[in-house]
Amino acid sequence: QVQLQESGPGLVKPSETLSLTCTVSGDSISPYYWNWIRQPPGKGLEWIGYIFSTGKTNYNPSLRGRVTFSVDTSKNQVSLELTSVTAADTAVYFCTRELQYWGPGTLVTVSS
Amino acid sequence: DIQMTQSPSSLSASVGDRVTITCRTSQDITNDLDWFQQIPGKAPKRLIHSASILQSEVPSRFSGSGSGTEFTLTISSLQPEDFATYYCLQHRTFPYTFGQGTKLDIK
Repeated sequence: QVQLQESGPGLVKPSETLSLTCTVSGDSISPYYWNWIRQPPGKGLEWIGYIFSTGKTNYNPSLRGRVTFSVDTSKNQVSLELTSVTAADTAVYFCTRELQYWGPGTLVTVSS
Repeated sequence: DIQMTQSPSSLSASVGDRVTITCRTSQDITNDLDWFQQIPGKAPKRLIHSASILQSEVPSRFSGSGSGTEFTLTISSLQPEDFATYYCLQHRTFPYTFGQGTKLDIK
């Protein structure tokens, strides 16, 4: 059974870069779409974008070019970087394989 | 972006009730719509994909219907574990967009 686990700093300072990793176990990274979705505390879900195992990406324009995804097939990991963060980026971040398999999510708080 | 209008935003119901949640989209998305259930503190769980296909291991009391711009999620007989928040998601065009959510609680 495929399992996903997000990891990264729980606290990031404003204007800095948020970096998260999703480690996949139980199956290969390929050939799947890996979506990132976030949820601000007490609010709804927002699609951040996806990366295919080949590296093809599609990002939500609402993030105004601040987001980058990458894939490391040797480590069975996908990663997210979000630059110039503000308090509005405080959220639980989820990675999901094709919207079927989800990690438990990781809370990232942006605060000085 | 495709706008999603999910209704109601909240709903109180009893065990055994039949409930329906509606999602309307601002453009025709054929059947590219999924339904998710989220229990507080947990990741969303996909119940339905492609508007009407039940995800494996999801109880048959859940069903989805619709196409084009109007979709429904029906729970035929509410069970205690069904009290949660439900979201629709369109994946017809980028960016994918979610409905605002329907919080289902116990009457």
